[in-house]
Amino acid sequence: EADIYQTPRYLVIGTGKKITLECSQTMGHDKMYWYQQDPGMELHLIHYSYGVNSTEKGDLSSESTVSRIRTEHFPLTLESARPSHTSQYLCACRGDGYTFGSGTRLTVV
Amino acid sequence: GNSVTQMEGPVTLSEEAFLTINCTYTATGYPSLFWYVQYPGEGLQLLLKATKADDKGSNKGFEATYRKETTSFHLEKGSVQVSDSAVYFCALSEYRANSKLTFGKGITLSVRP
Repeated sequence: EADIYQTPRYLVIGTGKKITLECSQTMGHDKMYWYQQDPGMELHLIHYSYGVNSTEKGDLSSESTVSRIRTEHFPLTLESARPSHTSQYLCACRGDGYTFGSGTRLTVV
Repeated sequence: GNSVTQMEGPVTLSEEAFLTINCTYTATGYPSLFWYVQYPGEGLQLLLKATKADDKGSNKGFEATYRKETTSFHLEKGSVQVSDSAVYFCALSEYRANSKLTFGKGITLSVRP
């Protein structure tokens, strides 16, 4: 049974639309992360948070933004989606180890 | 900075073949090392880990030994199965409270019946 949930699993959306990818965890962990996974499978850290009201940009520059108002939730938002945002987005949290969600596969047409 | 280098893929093997996936790392401190596996359409799952030199991580028939002298953490399995077909990522994390995971590029393994 997953302790970290991502919704939706798949999303196809038109250019210019605003979207929010949801990530929720039930473990009470402070540290959470968003990774972008390109078609070649490489993983890039785009955002992370060490607790409520803490957000930082990751190693790969991203046009997305994140928020951390509650410990359990770490949503990622794209204000205006573009085809270049087509990718898989993976959320993770860290306690003793890292736990990953199942991912959201986003396609922008 | 930290980095992880994995051998180039993809790798295609026949069932029951021996598997080796090479991984080397660069780190400023004394990292923990991990292998993650991603099955088709899924997120990442921890396969095994090692936290200090000469530790051997093992799980589901897979093994990897933390070699500080060669800065390596190669993944091995004696007899692969079709169900092992997946993408495998080597990763490291330093032993600091706010350390992040650094991943290799991943390698796709396909096992033929």
